[in-house]
Amino acid sequence: SQQGEEDPQALSIQEGENATMNCSYKTSINNLQWYRQNSGRGLVHLILIRSNEREKHSGRLRVTLDTSKKSSSLLITASRAADTASYFCATNSGGSNYKLTFGKGTLLTVNP
Amino acid sequence: GAGVSQSPSNKVTEKGKDVELRCDPISGHTALYWYRQSLGQGLEFLIYFQGNSAPDKSGLPSDRFSAERTGGSVSTLTIQRTQQEDSAVYLCASSSTGYSLYGYTFGSGTRLTVV
Repeated sequence: SQQGEEDPQALSIQEGENATMNCSYKTSINNLQWYRQNSGRGLVHLILIRSNEREKHSGRLRVTLDTSKKSSSLLITASRAADTASYFCATNSGGSNYKLTFGKGTLLTVNP
Repeated sequence: GAGVSQSPSNKVTEKGKDVELRCDPISGHTALYWYRQSLGQGLEFLIYFQGNSAPDKSGLPSDRFSAERTGGSVSTLTIQRTQQEDSAVYLCASSSTGYSLYGYTFGSGTRLTVV
């Protein structure tokens, strides 16, 4: 079963613009992570935010977490063509401290 | 090794045949995971290994699927009597501990096509 649902399913922007992707989930979480996937192959871990954190930054990435709304957002600033990929949120929840549950992802296209 | 290695990268098999997919995790990573990704979908958890503990097999979709991890390192996912619905990308990941807090490192996956 899927815990996270990303929104939008697809996003197309111009290089230099900011991209915002959202993730909603259903149950209480221990942490939430964002991954990037290029060309339908391996995923790359981008950033993790714990349930007691509200915002984290890593380079051009900014993640927010609102546990009251059970939602998270990923902001990519000053986007580049190389940022074109699918982005997935993944949640870890309950007594299983190892299992991640992934959403279906947002396909981001950055046009040069 | 430097990363998680999966082989083969692509596999085409006939319906009814058995297939074996291999995963070589990062050296020293005690936790290993298998996920499946069907076209346009998110990742579906299959199985988790942590050290010498009994694996969590709760995600295996049927008894045609099995996995083992030898010597706490290399893992093999076996699908018997393959069906067309088994067509997907099978992704392996490892992490340094059995705690997701540090994120997973994924391999490039095996694209399985059952014809």
